Amino acid sequence: ILNVEQSPQSLHVQEGDSTNFTCSFPSSNFYALHWYRWETAKSPEALFVMTLNGDEKKKGRISATLNTKEGYSYLYIKGSQPEDSATYLCAFMGAGGTSYGKLTFGQGTILTVHP
Amino acid sequence: NAGVTQTPKFQVLKTGQSMTLQCAQDMNHEYMSWYRQDPGMGLRLIHYSVGAGITDQGEVPNGYNVSRSTTEDFPLRLLSAAPSQTSVYFCASSTTGAVNYGYTFGSGTRLTVV
Repeated sequence: ILNVEQSPQSLHVQEGDSTNFTCSFPSSNFYALHWYRWETAKSPEALFVMTLNGDEKKKGRISATLNTKEGYSYLYIKGSQPEDSATYLCAFMGAGGTSYGKLTFGQGTILTVHP
Repeated sequence: NAGVTQTPKFQVLKTGQSMTLQCAQDMNHEYMSWYRQDPGMGLRLIHYSVGAGITDQGEVPNGYNVSRSTTEDFPLRLLSAAPSQTSVYFCASSTTGAVNYGYTFGSGTRLTVV
């Protein structure tokens, strides 16, 4: 079983704060790292899919970086808003054979942004 | 586009009953997966498929069967329901270009086994 870990488990911030979370994953046999946002009573939605060491992706106030050699990715939210409150999931996809298409998720970071 | 459609949305089963959770997608996606979500456990992969006729086990396959006879459909069968299978089940699909787009998830099926 692959080990994909996220920290912290939960986070409370004030509106306007910037914040970041970490995802660690196996550094061998890497193919892609996904980030998803999961709002309460909805389904997970893809934020980023990252494949190359040193990749940086950005969507509005949210950005992510990737280090495949050491097996970690950071997700940053600049100027958090209450609508950013959600669970943020990362997921690892390995390379080769039947690993393609198989995502292993971390347990998620629950973000609450207080007005 | 309907995206990924899961039925039913809610289901209550008695221990020992069998049932099939349906999942259909209209995006011509090759990859399809089933996950279960339990409190404190995140999303755990049950079974997945990389194309019609090809399936493989995930992390928690016991008690579940799948088949993929068409690109569009990926049903999940519970053979003999147990209370431990009480969970929320999500189906997800993606193109082989998953590296670009990520997975699209269905709205989930909440299953209670009594």
